[in-house]
Amino acid sequence: GESVGLHLPTLSVQEGDNSIINCAYSNSASDYFIWYKQESGKGPQFIIDIRSNMDKRQGQRVTVLLNKTVKHLSLQIAATQPGDSAVYFCAEKAAGNKLTFGGGTRVLVKP
Amino acid sequence: KAGVTQTPRYLIKTRGQQVTLSCSPISGHRSVSWYQQTPGQGLQFLFEYFSETQRNKGNFPGRFSGRQFSNSRSEMNVSTLELGDSALYLCASSPSWRGKDIQYFGAGTRLSVL
Repeated sequence: GESVGLHLPTLSVQEGDNSIINCAYSNSASDYFIWYKQESGKGPQFIIDIRSNMDKRQGQRVTVLLNKTVKHLSLQIAATQPGDSAVYFCAEKAAGNKLTFGGGTRVLVKP
Repeated sequence: KAGVTQTPRYLIKTRGQQVTLSCSPISGHRSVSWYQQTPGQGLQFLFEYFSETQRNKGNFPGRFSGRQFSNSRSEMNVSTLELGDSALYLCASSPSWRGKDIQYFGAGTRLSVL
């Protein structure tokens, strides 16, 4: 992932709409990818993961897509709710437990 | 089952001092990793411990160190604090050192260096 520094990209979405958060990862050797959600004052919370031998995985209201050809990961949130407002991070692992995080995307849900 | 517990939640120190942060992993988890989170650099890996041994280390100066105890609890220490060390320090635990385990994070320790 690439850090975007102080100014997080922000996705503003209407309550009930679908959200798509994108992430470019950097290491071709990474074989495991995770999405985390971080709310204000809290640590990152696991949302969903995907291994490199898959291109899609679905959870409850969330779907992760992996495109290894272009090293791109996306998180889709269906029927976005106010509780989905947070900063979302993608992370990659190449070996062991070291996570390399992307810079994060702030999601703001408008009522 | 209790989550990852980090203490203290907040710390204020002055330049030149040292600080020790503590992390208690989820019961049964033997791997503990530490991360530094700042607005400028995002989330960066510090180090990982498993069975009291450092398994992996990030690109931080030697002022940052850690250890793990036989009960899997971990501490990290920062000596000769600098203003740039102000950050949220996060601890994550997982069952093993295998890369496919989910890592669970604590709420972090917010360190302010004045």
